[in-house]
Amino acid sequence: NAGVTQTPKFQVLKTGQSMTLQCAQDMNHEYMSWYRQDPGMGLRLIHYSVGAGITDQGEVPNGYNVSRSTTEDFPLRLLSAAPSQTSVYFCASSYSNRNEQYFGPGTRLTVT
Amino acid sequence: KNEVEQSPQNLTAQEGEFITINCSYSVGISALHWLQQHPGGGIVSLFMLSSGKKKHGRLIATINIQEKHSSLHITASHPRDSAVYICAVGGSQGNLIFGKGTKLSVKP
Repeated sequence: NAGVTQTPKFQVLKTGQSMTLQCAQDMNHEYMSWYRQDPGMGLRLIHYSVGAGITDQGEVPNGYNVSRSTTEDFPLRLLSAAPSQTSVYFCASSYSNRNEQYFGPGTRLTVT
Repeated sequence: KNEVEQSPQNLTAQEGEFITINCSYSVGISALHWLQQHPGGGIVSLFMLSSGKKKHGRLIATINIQEKHSSLHITASHPRDSAVYICAVGGSQGNLIFGKGTKLSVKP
């Protein structure tokens, strides 16, 4: 199993550009989440999904969209990038809310 | 007040010392997670527990549900244990609420 994969590993955007961060898992996990990690702030939840077709907002959802058309994939879309979205983004998945979470390797995004 | 508080924020130890990292939370949880993040950035799950105590090698995690408190212990610490240790509590939907982490440095 590849586990949780994220692409790209690094990305530089200009303000106003849009892009999609990809996340995929091959463990048939129902639960998937996106987090951002900023210095001094810890990890914060952006959006999460409890199954295909079901998504919900987390703590910091503004400026981001998600969809979950399949169990395997959970892409995160930045609609119009802003410097405040410079961060490291982690995707995670788990079988259920009482199981271990598996994290992807992260995407380091810089918005200039 | 943060929903998940960790202490200490930074910890320096000598190789071989016994280490304790504490986590207190103020919300109802389905489970508590201890995670490890090495300088390279990857995050791995160490423990997930909802009651009692778990042990894996030199690592021990305990939780007291009534007091809303958990501890992570490292016995016979080693420089390779140097990392950021993160406490996170699991909500009913599977999403996590994180502490800010404890940066551990173990000197040889």
